[in-house]
Amino acid sequence: DAKTTQPNSMESNEEEPVHLPCNHSTISGTDYIHWYRQLPSQGPEYVIHGLTSNVNNRMASLAIAEDRKSSTLILHRATLRDAAVYYCILRDRDDKIIFGKGTRLHILP
Amino acid sequence: NAGVTQTPKFRILKIGQSMTLQCTQDMNHNYMYWYRQDPGMGLKLIYYSVGAGITDKGEVPNGYNVSRSTTEDFPLRLELAAPSQTSVYFCASTRDRGFNQPQHFGDGTRLSIL
Repeated sequence: DAKTTQPNSMESNEEEPVHLPCNHSTISGTDYIHWYRQLPSQGPEYVIHGLTSNVNNRMASLAIAEDRKSSTLILHRATLRDAAVYYCILRDRDDKIIFGKGTRLHILP
Repeated sequence: NAGVTQTPKFRILKIGQSMTLQCTQDMNHNYMYWYRQDPGMGLKLIYYSVGAGITDKGEVPNGYNVSRSTTEDFPLRLELAAPSQTSVYFCASTRDRGFNQPQHFGDGTRLSIL
């Protein structure tokens, strides 16, 4: 079973920031938090990952709670092309990589 | 770089037929994965491999077989196609077990069993 919990769907207005939450209350000390997104009719693509500290890259920012039991993916200025399903997953010593159902993000023009 | 390449992109099979979905990567990645995605659902792990000659079951392995004779290739075999196997299949790879290694995905194979 997936070890993360995400809302089924979210909506946001174009050109506004989007905060996508993920709960992972059973996270272990060695789990990395990874985010992927899947655009319509495409394979998933890597977005960002982190362990303890907040992370930024050209696509997004990842804010990790101090207790690491939750995290938030931040899209600073959403565009219509950001409409996708966003997956939050945990990577640990297990060789398996299990995806949950993700959050479907709708962007309103 | 081509990355992860899957063939074919689309296929229609009759019940009971067999086929092999091809996956190849040119990044010299050790770890490779097969997922299926049913309409409106998330990805389910079918099989994975941590290196040539080593494979292991994922969440939903029944009805499928895999082999890993080379680092580059990780084919998925359906022996007796069933309607329940209608899905989109994604192959992915990652360099090694490193927890900070991202997965790279192919564009998928859309398979219909009629």
